Amino acid sequence: DIVMTQSPDSLAVSLGERATINCKSSQSALYSSNNQNYLAWYQQKPGQPPKLLIYWASTRESGVPDRFSGSGSGTDFTLTISSLQAEDVAVYYCQQYYPTPGTFGQGTRVEIK
Amino acid sequence: EVQLVESGGGLVQPGGSLRLSCAASGFTFSSYWMTWVRQAPGKGLEWVANIKQDGSEKYYVDSLKGRFTISRDNAKNSLYLQMNSLRAEDTAVYYCARAPYGSGQYYYMDVWGKGTTVTVSS
Repeated sequence: DIVMTQSPDSLAVSLGERATINCKSSQSALYSSNNQNYLAWYQQKPGQPPKLLIYWASTRESGVPDRFSGSGSGTDFTLTISSLQAEDVAVYYCQQYYPTPGTFGQGTRVEIK
Repeated sequence: EVQLVESGGGLVQPGGSLRLSCAASGFTFSSYWMTWVRQAPGKGLEWVANIKQDGSEKYYVDSLKGRFTISRDNAKNSLYLQMNSLRAEDTAVYYCARAPYGSGQYYYMDVWGKGTTVTVSS
């Protein structure tokens, strides 16, 4: 099975500063037949279900603030929060959704410094 | 409003069975792949199983094959997860989640329910 490794496990960032989360896959997420990276990012706040932020590695879900951005290709991906807000405190997960099963990273906890 | 509501969780003894349900509303349920994802207490997310729109294709994480069965009833707008031979390590919140419209077998999940809690303990 694919292994998704996020780094760091947790980070504390000052309000208004940049937060960067990395996700590395043991197998390429790039599907050659359509040249798409099958990589998504989710945000989970305490007591809530996950919320989709980014799919196809860099496409922002409708309604997600533009301070969230995704980048990367193949096996290395990054989620960036350009200017951390208080409401961004959460655990963030990457997920590779090809092939089945859709493996998640272990999560990265983002806190306010 | 698009909504997924899970039910059926509870306390069950090791070796027991439980059937989870997920009621869908606000969209044409029969047009979407659906997925179960679970989360053990204080842990990360684990993809469990998914099912095609018409139920003709089902996929499971290897570790659960043979014990869990995913199914759906499009007439009732409902998704199910039959869980047998339950173990302590199956204790988790179980979420149902929807694929985006028009997706194939491999997809991210764009709508999630709030989850139902399963506790396996004697």
